[in-house]
Amino acid sequence: QQPVQSPQAVILREGEDAVINCSSSKALYSVHWYRQKHGEAPVFLMILLKGGEQKGHDKISASFNEKKQQSSLYLTASQLSYSGTYFCGTVEETSGSRLTFGEGTQLTVNP
Amino acid sequence: DVKVTQSSRYLVKRTGEKVFLECVQDMDHENMFWYRQDPGLGLRLIYFSYDVKMKEKGDIPEGYSVSREKKERFSLILESASTNQTSMYLCATHSSMNTEAFFGQGTRLTVV
Repeated sequence: QQPVQSPQAVILREGEDAVINCSSSKALYSVHWYRQKHGEAPVFLMILLKGGEQKGHDKISASFNEKKQQSSLYLTASQLSYSGTYFCGTVEETSGSRLTFGEGTQLTVNP
Repeated sequence: DVKVTQSSRYLVKRTGEKVFLECVQDMDHENMFWYRQDPGLGLRLIYFSYDVKMKEKGDIPEGYSVSREKKERFSLILESASTNQTSMYLCATHSSMNTEAFFGQGTRLTVV
């Protein structure tokens, strides 16, 4: 079952922050985050495992609330290079290695 | 360098044709996936395979079939292409549920 992402689109000015949310009605084993630039393949950002951990690198971080089956991606002090479509992918506890993605969030960072 | 290679970047086929999309990975991963990407609908899972000759239907398997005879190769088959199968098709692979997935460059299929 596809996870649900919100918002569908975000427009920021350079330096502003954004939060992208991902939720599932199923118990999750892991949540993946990817970014896709126009005309390119999605690129891995990070993965969060069951256990409610928070991960991050540079100014992009994420959290996973396993009680609510929700994950959030935090982009702080956004840069022009952050523009793209962000996808969350989920692996459900009962689905083996099946990786299902949400509808995506289009992020535009303007100067 | 990790590689997931899709056989064609662009493909144009006629309605009713049988179409094969090929994906090859060089990472010895067990899991391979076929997704379809359409504006506003995200990445929708068509089929995935967790081992040679093993497959599971995804969320939108109708009109598609798959084949995995060797670990490194996963084929998506459109038995009789229709115009509503015009889309971007992405292949992906990962070794387990807690590792990152790697994507191919995609095949833009147009059915006329």
